[in-house]
Amino acid sequence: DQQVKQNSPSLSVQEGRISILNCDYTNSMFDYFLWYKKYPAEGPTFLISISSIKDKNEDGRFTVFLNKSAKHLSLHIVPSQPGDSAVYFCAASARGTGNQFYFGTGTSLTVIP
Amino acid sequence: DSGVTQTPKHLITATGQRVTLRCSPRSGDLSVYWYQQSLDQGLQFLIQYYNGEERAKGNILERFSAQQFPDLHSELNLSSLELGDSALYFCASSVQGRDSPLHFGNGTRLTVT
Repeated sequence: DQQVKQNSPSLSVQEGRISILNCDYTNSMFDYFLWYKKYPAEGPTFLISISSIKDKNEDGRFTVFLNKSAKHLSLHIVPSQPGDSAVYFCAASARGTGNQFYFGTGTSLTVIP
Repeated sequence: DSGVTQTPKHLITATGQRVTLRCSPRSGDLSVYWYQQSLDQGLQFLIQYYNGEERAKGNILERFSAQQFPDLHSELNLSSLELGDSALYFCASSVQGRDSPLHFGNGTRLTVT
């Protein structure tokens, strides 16, 4: 049962434009959400997180938005750069599960120079 | 560099065999997690240890086992290997406590022939 879903396997964006990666979840107990970036032959790298008490968190070019009523989060990258080309995973955890994180299947972002 | 070290990087073995994957967490991290990533799949949580004790269990097969040693390194043992066990196995570590992101190693690619 996939509790965290990334329905777009891939996304292509022109350099300088905005990249929007989406993630949906089904478990209403999830209260902590993260985005990871993964380059080939490397492990996932933590990018940005958001707690359910917020609806937005910003870190430089990266912003994560959380819509709890829709059980949806998104990652915005502005402006997109070729170095952002990677696979992006969203993940979620619920209080009381001992930091057990559920991951989506990933979205491969290609930023075209 | 995440500070999490996994060895070996690659492992090729035959069906029915047993292998051991090793992970050294970041300095100071007490929690170790194991994840499996099969082709085109998300990261599937296998098991978590905290300071030597099993903390949470996910979709881990009975043929698989893990442990965390007093020096906090962890080993994942996979036995009676099947073709379907071929995957990337990631180890991650974190400090204990809520809202702590996972820091991943670069993974061990296991190929069962």
